[in-house]
Amino acid sequence: GAVVSQHPSWVICKSGTSVKIECRSLDFQATTMFWYRQFPKQSLMLMATSNEGSKATYEQGVEKDKFLINHASLTLSTLTVTSAHPEDSSFYICSAGLAAAYEQYFGPGTRLTVT
Amino acid sequence: AQSVTQLGSHVSVSEGALVLLRCNYSSSVPPYLFWYVQYPNQGLQLLLKYTSAATLVKGINGFEAEFKKSETSFHLTKPSAHMSDAAEYFCAVSGGGGGATNKLIFGTGTLLAVQP
Repeated sequence: GAVVSQHPSWVICKSGTSVKIECRSLDFQATTMFWYRQFPKQSLMLMATSNEGSKATYEQGVEKDKFLINHASLTLSTLTVTSAHPEDSSFYICSAGLAAAYEQYFGPGTRLTVT
Repeated sequence: AQSVTQLGSHVSVSEGALVLLRCNYSSSVPPYLFWYVQYPNQGLQLLLKYTSAATLVKGINGFEAEFKKSETSFHLTKPSAHMSDAAEYFCAVSGGGGGATNKLIFGTGTLLAVQP
């Protein structure tokens, strides 16, 4: 139980285009979903917290107009990287919170490469 | 505010040897603490968690961790390392009392290498 999926698992796009990443909780309803970014050999950096039906809360230094987050349902959150640039290349990981279990469940990650 | 410090970005042990990965935390509220493992190009898998119950927590794959309030530590141990334990390990603290809707603060990670 408590499985989180991400799609796509990897994507290559050209500079200036937009990319959408989906995060789904497959067997539970997630009150809250989180989006993280991880650079090679580094820790996870929280980008934003999203609650179903409301605007995402972005961490300091994260551009909300560049990283658009939509949490339309209790099982789906999307992250759209707009006008992507090579410096946006990274590993993006989502997690979903299950309140009763006091923990977050992580997706497998999406490797984004911007050329 | 919460923070986590992991001492040692790289740890190398021999197969069969004790594994000890260190984690110290800082928290203004009673912390909820977690250890996650990450294999290359994968997401994070929960190893174990401390949520204010028993201070010695047992997790998956033979790992355990002990919450020591006096030392503000939550070190991860395993009596005998296996080759499959080679991975990146992250310690994390949950803010605001530990609910899953609260964000996790991660340490910088420790890369564990297991030598044959």
